[in-house]
Amino acid sequence: DIQMTQSPSTLSASVGDRVTITCRASQSINSWLAWYQQKPGKAPKLLIYKASSLESGVPSRFSGSGSGTEFTLTISSLQPDDFATYYCQQYKGYAWTFGQGTKVEIK
Amino acid sequence: EVQLLESGGGLEQPGGSLRLSCAASGFTFSSYAMSWVRQAPGKGLEWVSLISASGGNTYYTDSVKGRFTISRDNSKNTLYLQMNSLRAEDTAVYYCAKAFISSWYFDCWGQGALVTVSS
Repeated sequence: DIQMTQSPSTLSASVGDRVTITCRASQSINSWLAWYQQKPGKAPKLLIYKASSLESGVPSRFSGSGSGTEFTLTISSLQPDDFATYYCQQYKGYAWTFGQGTKVEIK
Repeated sequence: EVQLLESGGGLEQPGGSLRLSCAASGFTFSSYAMSWVRQAPGKGLEWVSLISASGGNTYYTDSVKGRFTISRDNSKNTLYLQMNSLRAEDTAVYYCAKAFISSWYFDCWGQGALVTVSS
């Protein structure tokens, strides 16, 4: 199976900061990567698909980039509603795998 | 509005069985692959199983192969997960998720059902 590794595991930031989360795949997944946001006690929410396509209704401060094995999720100006855990997920082939998550905390 | 509503969770002993259901509304259920994703307490997301739109193809993570069975009833707009030979490590919140039609990422999720396996 393809392994997904996110870094950092935890990130402390302030409102207004630019935040970048990295996700690496153990082999090439082309652009078959999605990003999700999850808040405590809630279901995950899709933010980005196909590495860089913004899901409808998601604020434009979220962006994704990368291809092959290295990907990033960027929040251009962190807002209070963005403090949450973020997961990458690859969907190449028939064994879907998630990264271990990055928790974005208030600094 | 797309809605996914899981039910059937609860407390079960090791070795026991449970069946989860996910009632779907707000979209043409029979046109979309569906999946189960779980999250153990305090842990990350783990994909469990996926079924194609017609039900003709099913996929499982290794740890549940031979124990869990995913199925669907397109006439009832309902997804199922039959879980047998339950283990303590199956304890988790189980989410059903709708897969995007041409690329199987998960664009809508239910609220989750808690399954606890304990004696």
